[in-house]
Amino acid sequence: KAGVTQTPRYLIKTRGQQVTLSCSPISGHRSVSWYQQTPGQGLQFLFEYFSETQRNKGNFPGRFSGRQFSNSRSEMNVSTLELGDSALYLCASTETSGVREQFFGPGTRLTVL
Amino acid sequence: AQSVSQHNHHVILSEAASLELGCNYSYGGTVNLFWYVQYPGQHLQLLLKYFSGDPLVKGIKGFEAEFIKSKFSFNLRKPSVQWSDTAEYFCAVRVKAGNMLTFGGGTRLMVKP
Repeated sequence: KAGVTQTPRYLIKTRGQQVTLSCSPISGHRSVSWYQQTPGQGLQFLFEYFSETQRNKGNFPGRFSGRQFSNSRSEMNVSTLELGDSALYLCASTETSGVREQFFGPGTRLTVL
Repeated sequence: AQSVSQHNHHVILSEAASLELGCNYSYGGTVNLFWYVQYPGQHLQLLLKYFSGDPLVKGIKGFEAEFIKSKFSFNLRKPSVQWSDTAEYFCAVRVKAGNMLTFGGGTRLMVKP
């Protein structure tokens, strides 16, 4: 089975711009979660989507949003970028049943200048 | 809200030394517990997990962890580390429906050959 894929892998934006990141989960997985990883704050949960519905949301401002499509692919969007949004954004795909192990993608490295 | 603490931010060991990384969480109810590892330049991957049953769980690459409910702890151990264990280790907790993980701040392990 192919793993979790994220595109693009690297992105450079300037303050005030917006960005869209994409995640394709493992085939058959219906849950997709997003995390932000920074040296200062570590790994923080952004949101989770299951069957096209947001199921959980972390403590991030409304500039961070996401969605999930009927094929389980997910996108997250960050509007009005700030310097502090520079981070590695990780997507995780979770098994629908059983132990519900989360499989992480390689991440998208976002740099905001 | 739940939280996870990893007490050691940086650990340096020589090969063949024993390893124990501390992890404590704050949540009074039922938890699922995880240890993830992030090797340099690689994805986060699952080392081991605890859901229920035997509190001593074994994972990949010779790692094990012990869940001590009374201490709210889930410490990671390995009897003899190798240079290839150099990585960052994250403890995580899942406490409710859905797949949101709360991560500790991570421990960077360097193993000297």
